[in-house]
Amino acid sequence: EADIYQTPRYLVIGTGKKITLECSQTMGHDKMYWYQQDPGMELHLIHYSYGVNSTEKGDLSSESTVSRIRTEHFPLTLESARPSHTSQYLCASSAKSGDTYEQYFGPGTRLTVT
Amino acid sequence: AQSVTQLGSHVSVSEGALVLLRCNYSSSVPPYLFWYVQYPNQGLQLLLKYTSAATLVKGINGFEAEFKKSETSFHLTKPSAHMSDAAEYFCAVSDSRAAGNKLTFGGGTRVLVKP
Repeated sequence: EADIYQTPRYLVIGTGKKITLECSQTMGHDKMYWYQQDPGMELHLIHYSYGVNSTEKGDLSSESTVSRIRTEHFPLTLESARPSHTSQYLCASSAKSGDTYEQYFGPGTRLTVT
Repeated sequence: AQSVTQLGSHVSVSEGALVLLRCNYSSSVPPYLFWYVQYPNQGLQLLLKYTSAATLVKGINGFEAEFKKSETSFHLTKPSAHMSDAAEYFCAVSDSRAAGNKLTFGGGTRVLVKP
């Protein structure tokens, strides 16, 4: 079982502030992902990384940015938070299991921008 | 392009009754299919997956799902619901030929279990 951590779990912040959501995993997985999930809604992939110094935008356009300087760390940054960024952000990493990769999810960060 | 449709955003079942959650997918290539469960204020946990081996897949917590290619379906079932099954369930699909296994999720089905 993968251990994947996200901090903070809850964040309430004012408009215009810069924020960084942290995500770390201890299993040495190369592949990591960020999803955005609105209440009662499906998950949308916003960023992914296949290894150090590799980052790609996902299917849902996002004003956030990510970096992957170390294998275990995949932080997400919003330069200027807005109320439209209010959502839950889930981080995941994946490992090969049989024919496919299985994704392991962190507990999420619930962000509220006032 | 791939897509997933989960029929019914909310399902209410009595404790001990059958749980049936419907998932239909669209994929131009042989898919890999997954069911995840999400408890309140937590991340997603993998229940089971289909990767072209047996069409009937057994997962954790007594859940199973059957892959039906002709119906493009991957419905999730549990014979007898337990109070602890109250959660949100997500069906997801990935491209079996793509590296990295990006997932496309359905809209989710919230399960309420009545005593």
